[in-house]
Amino acid sequence: DAGITQSPRHKVTETGTPVTLRCHQTENHRYMYWYRQDPGHGLRLIHYSYGVKDTDKGEVSDGYSVSRSKTEDFLLTLESATSSQTSVYFCATRGFGYTFGSGTRLTVV
Amino acid sequence: DQQVKQNSPSLSVQEGRISILNCDYTNSMFDYFLWYKKYPAEGPTFLISISSIKDKNEDGRFTVFLNKSAKHLSLHIVPSQPGDSAVYFCAAHVNTGNQFYFGTGTSLTVIP
Repeated sequence: DAGITQSPRHKVTETGTPVTLRCHQTENHRYMYWYRQDPGHGLRLIHYSYGVKDTDKGEVSDGYSVSRSKTEDFLLTLESATSSQTSVYFCATRGFGYTFGSGTRLTVV
Repeated sequence: DQQVKQNSPSLSVQEGRISILNCDYTNSMFDYFLWYKKYPAEGPTFLISISSIKDKNEDGRFTVFLNKSAKHLSLHIVPSQPGDSAVYFCAAHVNTGNQFYFGTGTSLTVIP
């Protein structure tokens, strides 16, 4: 969807390094979400934001932090990447239902 | 604990036949349900939704049925087309909540 851009699209990083994924929206939606998608688990919520500087944890938040300094940007940081965080990460905004970005494929080696 | 479940990881259907994808949920407070479709290397896209005050919603070839007493919903695709081959996720929402809960997905393959 052109209204949500995720960057980077692909990243390979080493264990123990910090990684930041970016989500940018042009929809002016209040709610933004970070999900990870893994085989057998579907989409699991990591963190979400309900406004600038307002964030809350999802079901798999350990090892992740987020920040939202502007309505349009929602950052996900892996503080010290581990191999278990190898996944595909999706950002979403909530208008009518969710609108998802195209995803970031992260590999931690 | 998984509140939304899709017990069939995969489904294969012949082109032109009906595809039926199933979803079960445990939380009786869910009041809104959606189906998303996902192609490889793309984000999920919205397909169809249903409110808990209805038991059926139809949009072209896609129909969603909701059975609240059984806590079950299903997506029917008729007729199935090869372009329908994708992973389908159901999702549920509580009116007072801030998030949707997703199932684990069903991979549909429509055989030409």
